[in-house]
Amino acid sequence: QVQLVESGGGVVQPGRSLRLSCTVSGFTFNNYGMHWVRQAPGKGLEWVAVISYDASKRYYADSLKGRFTISRDYSKNTLYLQMDSLRADDTAVYYCARALSYGSESSIEYWGQGALVTVSS
Amino acid sequence: QSALTQPASVSGSPGQSITIPCTGTSSDIGGYNYVSWYQQHPGEAPKLMIYDVIYRPPGVSNRFSGSKSGNTASLTISGLQAEDEADYYCISYRDSSLWVFGGGTKLTVL
Repeated sequence: QVQLVESGGGVVQPGRSLRLSCTVSGFTFNNYGMHWVRQAPGKGLEWVAVISYDASKRYYADSLKGRFTISRDYSKNTLYLQMDSLRADDTAVYYCARALSYGSESSIEYWGQGALVTVSS
Repeated sequence: QSALTQPASVSGSPGQSITIPCTGTSSDIGGYNYVSWYQQHPGEAPKLMIYDVIYRPPGVSNRFSGSKSGNTASLTISGLQAEDEADYYCISYRDSSLWVFGGGTKLTVL
């Protein structure tokens, strides 16, 4: 069955960087677009970024202002989210999610269980 | 980027039907048939209930249905059950290859 397991969350100081990983199994990683979505404590879902199946297209929420980078490693079946210049309002559970199909216009079908990132001094 | 607009809460009695609207613009809901709906129970990851406006994934009850008119998409749940009590979110594809969620709706089964 489809599995997505996030790792790399934790407590980080404002201004520092953190990289989240999402290791997938149960499907052919090369064939699907992948998303990151976050949810601040007690708040709603916020779309963060998407990467197409071949990594040729990457798009980000305007609110991130270039601080986050999405990437994927096919040899490791792993999706990444590099987060730089972290701020307190980046505190959230970060979900890795698989798209319905290959493109960046494909919505989210499967979700991981999430990784908590807390930005605090 | 502005979120799509959903009511903060809706409620209904067991057996009744409810509809949750999700309002956007011609740049998102009105311009594309890429609207999905997710159910989220407390402490859990979201679950896909409807995709591409009207389609149900395998395993999702046919009590859940989706529709769209103009810039508003809707999720209808018929025959309400206690287990339907959860938060519901819409998402739409938007111009410039972006995605945007609604603010979420808390469904209470009375």
